[in-house]
Amino acid sequence: EAGVTQSPTHLIKTRGQQATLRCSPISGHTSVYWYQQALGLGLQFLLWYDEGEERNRGNFPPRFSGRQFPNYSSELNVNALELEDSALYLCASSFRGRNEQFFGPGTRLTVL
Amino acid sequence: GDSVTQMEGPVTLSEEAFLTINCTYTATGYPSLFWYVQYPGEGLQLLLKATKADDKGSNKGFEATYRKETTSFHLEKGSVQVSDSAVYFCALTDTGGFKTIFGAGTRLFVKA
Repeated sequence: EAGVTQSPTHLIKTRGQQATLRCSPISGHTSVYWYQQALGLGLQFLLWYDEGEERNRGNFPPRFSGRQFPNYSSELNVNALELEDSALYLCASSFRGRNEQFFGPGTRLTVL
Repeated sequence: GDSVTQMEGPVTLSEEAFLTINCTYTATGYPSLFWYVQYPGEGLQLLLKATKADDKGSNKGFEATYRKETTSFHLEKGSVQVSDSAVYFCALTDTGGFKTIFGAGTRLFVKA
């Protein structure tokens, strides 16, 4: 069974640009979660999507947004990039109503 | 609000030593508790979980018991190996499954 996949593996942008990160959940999972893991820090919850809708949002500014498509894949968009947005962005998926999350390998975003 | 506190690292042990990584939580209701592990250059993997008080999660020689009276979920292993070197995250998911909160992570180094 294929795991959670994320693309791209690495992304380099400059300040002010926009970044788009993609995630494909495990087949059958309807929930997708996004986390930010800055260097040396723990995971910060960004967004939770389920059945195409945003269900919960962490303490991040509105320039962090996303969506979930009918096939349950998801996109995270970060607008007006700032240097401190440089981090590993992890996506996870789960069955709706089940707590166990399965993580992808992450996208390393570097903002110059 | 809900929170997870785990011991700061790094923790450095010799092979075959006993490991304890402390984790305490604050939450209303009946959260589920998890330990995730992140090996170098990889995403997070679920190590073990417990969904109700007094449950013991176990996997790969690691154990943790859900203690509601002390709001703790300490991770233990009787004999660590070099291959256990990784970052370990304690996490909780709230009763409704609306959010998952991670601790800051504890880096473990095991020397041969």
